[in-house]
Amino acid sequence: NAGVTQTPKFQVLKTGQSMTLQCAQDMNHNSMYWYRQDPGMGLRLIYYSASEGTTDKGEVPNGYNVSRLNKREFSLRLESAAPSQTSVYFCASSWGSNQPQHFGDGTRLSIL
Amino acid sequence: ELKVEQNPLFLSMQEGKNYTIYCNYSTTSDRLYWYRQDPGKSLESLFVLLSNGAVKQEGRLMASLDTKARLSTLHITAAVHDLSATYFCAARGSNTGKLIFGQGTTLQVKP
Repeated sequence: NAGVTQTPKFQVLKTGQSMTLQCAQDMNHNSMYWYRQDPGMGLRLIYYSASEGTTDKGEVPNGYNVSRLNKREFSLRLESAAPSQTSVYFCASSWGSNQPQHFGDGTRLSIL
Repeated sequence: ELKVEQNPLFLSMQEGKNYTIYCNYSTTSDRLYWYRQDPGKSLESLFVLLSNGAVKQEGRLMASLDTKARLSTLHITAAVHDLSATYFCAARGSNTGKLIFGQGTTLQVKP
């Protein structure tokens, strides 16, 4: 009954450090997404992968990279973390881009 | 560029009362979603609205869509404490296929 699993759940980084957030889904979904959630701003799309082997930029891609490793896994990398990237990061997946998205529990990331 | 605005952003209400949350979107969207988020938790899908005039209900929540007005509403009937949460609407851009979220409405239901 796992659904979408994100690791880690919490992380504190120093400015300039790098980090990869992991996401895996076991629902055989084609599409996967990374969002960030900041107070009063809802969720904003960072990157998405419509299907295995493809990735595209969302609303706020600067400072991030992604890898769709296989159908199950979609990782988000911060190459040089900045305090402005302090946020809660959610991974989501769906059958297709027009289907409801299922969300993971989030990663709470603080950058000092 | 698709933008989504919700109002109100915060709503404190008494148990037993009715209220409506509004979600406006700025350009053509081919579907509208409502999600619920409890504090510190993930988002849970509530409704998907596909066409003009669509209405969906579950328990004390009813969502509707007016594509001509670019407006969706989430109506709460006889609120109970368990409905306290943050509710997000999200519109899918017809051209981009991307989901754009509103800011969220935090609902607090008091006994």
